[in-house]
Amino acid sequence: SYELTQPPSVSVSPGQTASITCSGDKLGDKYACWYQQKPGQSPVLVIHEDSKRPSGIPERFSGSNSGNTATLTITGTQAMDEADYYCQAWDSSTAYVFGGGTKLTVL
Amino acid sequence: EVQLVESGGGLVQPGGSLRLSCAASGFTFSNYYMTWVRQAPGKGLEWVANIKQDGSEKYYVDSVKGRFTISRDNAKNSLYLQMNSLRAEDTAVYYCAREFTAVTAEGWFDPWGQGTLVTVSS
Repeated sequence: SYELTQPPSVSVSPGQTASITCSGDKLGDKYACWYQQKPGQSPVLVIHEDSKRPSGIPERFSGSNSGNTATLTITGTQAMDEADYYCQAWDSSTAYVFGGGTKLTVL
Repeated sequence: EVQLVESGGGLVQPGGSLRLSCAASGFTFSNYYMTWVRQAPGKGLEWVANIKQDGSEKYYVDSVKGRFTISRDNAKNSLYLQMNSLRAEDTAVYYCAREFTAVTAEGWFDPWGQGTLVTVSS
């Protein structure tokens, strides 16, 4: 079965750049997307098709995907960006797969 | 405004059954795949099942095959998840979500409902 691996936690100072990675076998050959989930809330899509931002998502959120790693980058991180982030991809053998999630701490 | 509202969660004994509903509004429901995703307490997200626009194709994660059935009623703009033979490990918040797909058939979910909690315990 296909698996996606994320670091459990990432810390960043306000105003700095946060990078959250998601690794999977030949992930660059698939589309990756990212969700933000704040405590007690439902997930929100922040990136789809590797690098596309849905309407309403701030420009400081960007994505890339190459080789075995997809990366969510938050430029100029704000306190409101503190949340759990999940990557997701689709695989023909496993259907939809999520990474284990990364807790982003802004301190 | 696109909105998804789940209902039907609750406490059920192991081996019991529950039917979840998801009421959709603000978009043409019959034009989209729909999906269920669950999240066990304090854990990550797990895709559960999805269904094609006309209900003709349904897919499930291995752990629920034969126990859960996804369905939809396009006339009522509603999505359902019938859950039978429930186990403690099915305890989770269940979210419904609208599914988008790229030309490659790979998809993503937007938006998500607020979720409904299913607790399987004696």
